[in-house]
Amino acid sequence: DVVMTQSPLSLPVTLGQPASISCRSSQSLVYSDGNTYLNWFQQRPGQSPRRLIYKVSNWDSGVPDRFSGSGSGTDFTLKISRVEAEDVGVYYCMQGTHWPRTFGQGTKLEIK
Amino acid sequence: QLQLQESGPGLVKPSETLSLTCTVSGGSISSSSYYWGWIRQPPGKGLEWIGSIYYSGSTYYNPSLKSRVTISVDTSKNQFSLKLSSVTAADTAVYYCARDHIDYYGSGSEGMDVWGQGTTVTVSS
Repeated sequence: DVVMTQSPLSLPVTLGQPASISCRSSQSLVYSDGNTYLNWFQQRPGQSPRRLIYKVSNWDSGVPDRFSGSGSGTDFTLKISRVEAEDVGVYYCMQGTHWPRTFGQGTKLEIK
Repeated sequence: QLQLQESGPGLVKPSETLSLTCTVSGGSISSSSYYWGWIRQPPGKGLEWIGSIYYSGSTYYNPSLKSRVTISVDTSKNQFSLKLSSVTAADTAVYYCARDHIDYYGSGSEGMDVWGQGTTVTVSS
């Protein structure tokens, strides 16, 4: 299985400040068709997960543009340019290139 | 707007079979652009992909659960289902059904873009 390793696991951030989450995979996530199937999810307290970013850097509808995704191969990053109170929750990366699909351990973002 | 709704018993006895159904409304399960999947989340822990099914019936399972998992689809009812046999306390979790977006059949996954609200299943005697 492809292991997805996120860091940090806990991320205290001051409102209005930037935040960054790293996600590394144990194998390249480049698929045979050239696409890289690395996706990001947000799970707010008590809610179902919500997809934020797909294929490294594509926003889902309704996702604020303060969120951005980048990376390639085995090394990926989710950035929030200015953290707002509604961003509190757990963030997961997930690879969709290989079977089985695997998620990172999750990064808990909290407000300082 | 597409919605997913999980249903099934909230309490299952050890060694028995957990059975859940996901009903898809507001869209067809027979779309070439999606797998339909099950994901679970034990209390206080992260997400674990259980398996996915295509509307044609092709299935993909997590090897860690493969010997105990069966996912099936009923296109006439716009539903797909999960069966997990020989459950133990370690199977206690919130179970989510979700739509898994793909570029084309056989491509990678763009991730689950629609999720159910989740259903809590507790394994206990």
